[in-house]
Parts: sequence; structure tokens; C-alpha cells
Amino acid sequence: GQNIDQPTEMTATEGAIVQINCTYQTSGFNGLFWYQQHAGEAPTFLSYNVLDGLEEKGRFSSFLSRSKGYSYLLLKELQMKDSASYLCAVMDSNYQLIWGAGTKLIIKP
Amino acid sequence: TAGITQAPTSQILAAGRSMTLRCTQDMRHNAMYWYRQDLGLGLRLIHYSNTAGTTGKGEVPDGYSVSRANTDDFPLTLASAVPSQTSVYFCASSDSTANTGELFFGEGSRLTVL
Repeated sequence: GQNIDQPTEMTATEGAIVQINCTYQTSGFNGLFWYQQHAGEAPTFLSYNVLDGLEEKGRFSSFLSRSKGYSYLLLKELQMKDSASYLCAVMDSNYQLIWGAGTKLIIKP
Repeated sequence: TAGITQAPTSQILAAGRSMTLRCTQDMRHNAMYWYRQDLGLGLRLIHYSNTAGTTGKGEVPDGYSVSRANTDDFPLTLASAVPSQTSVYFCASSDSTANTGELFFGEGSRLTVL
């Protein structure tokens, strides 16, 4: 079966750095996505990786290793507004998105 | 730009009743999707449409139907609601010709079936 694993919850301190990991087993691979979802709101797109390596976008970076079936989202200089759930999703060989259950990130002052 | 609009925002429904969740987008995206989101689970695809006039079944289609008469609208119908359909429903769209295939989501419809 297809599976996306990510931690259920993480806690970090304002101003610090946090890394949210995602591992996947899917039927084929056509890209990995990270979305941010604030409580009670819609998910919004953060990043897309299809090749190995690091993609940097401001305070957020996303890394992919296809051989390891592994990605992480790195958030730097954490702000209180970064408190949200972070969803990892993989596009399989049929171009269907397989979603992880999300990681709830709690930022403490 | 409105993006994707869903209605209603929330609804309480008696079991056995029918309900249609509305979804409209103004981005002229060819692909549209309906997901449900339940606590502790990832988003699960109910139905999708790659282009106007076509629809397909997702991971959890039973008890739901959709139509795509035009590019903008993609309503989701529950013919006879059951309590297990209590969930938050998200409509989404994407431009399948775009490189990233980014999804744009509506604000969600919270449905409670009693």
C-alpha cells in the first residue's frame, strides 16, 4: 500500500529552527509537496520538490531524497504565526496525491 | 480574485437527508477535486474532474456524487447522509498544465450528520 509518515506533533521555540520529516512509500513518484494549514483554514501551498536536493524559499526550505523516500521541511527564525499543521503529500505514478496526516507545530514564546 | 468559493461554510444535517456542497472557482483551472479531512487522517480524495464534462472516483467515493457541467462549478452531493460522513470537506482546483501542479483550496465546508 501507499503510505506517508510524518510526526503527529512537534513543539519549538520562537526564533529557533525546526525540521519536520516526511517519509513515503508510494507507487511511483512525480513530486512531493508541502502545505501549511492553520487551524480552521484551508491548506496553502508551500513547496514542491521533484529532484533531489534543497529548495529554499525565504525562511522555509524543503529537501528531497528520492532514493531514501524522504523529505523534510525546515523552518528558520520561527514566528508565532508559524503555528500550524504542515502536510506532506506525494504525487504517485497516476498523478494522484497521497497525503500524510499532517504535523501540528506548536510555537512557544 | 475570489479563487475558490465553497458553500455552505457549515451545516448540520439529519441522517437520511440529501445535501449538495457547492464549489465555484474563477481561475479557469481545468482540474477540480473534492477532499474530506478527518482528525488523524490525511486528506482523502472523494471525486475529481480533470476537465469539464468528465469526473472520476477517488479513494473514498461511496455515498457521494459529483458533476462538472462547466469549468467553474463542481458540486458534491450526498444522496442520503450518514453519520460517518461528518467531516470537513475541501474543494480544490489546479492548472494541470502548470509545472508544480499546486492545489488551490476553498475554505472548507464543515458538515455534521446526526
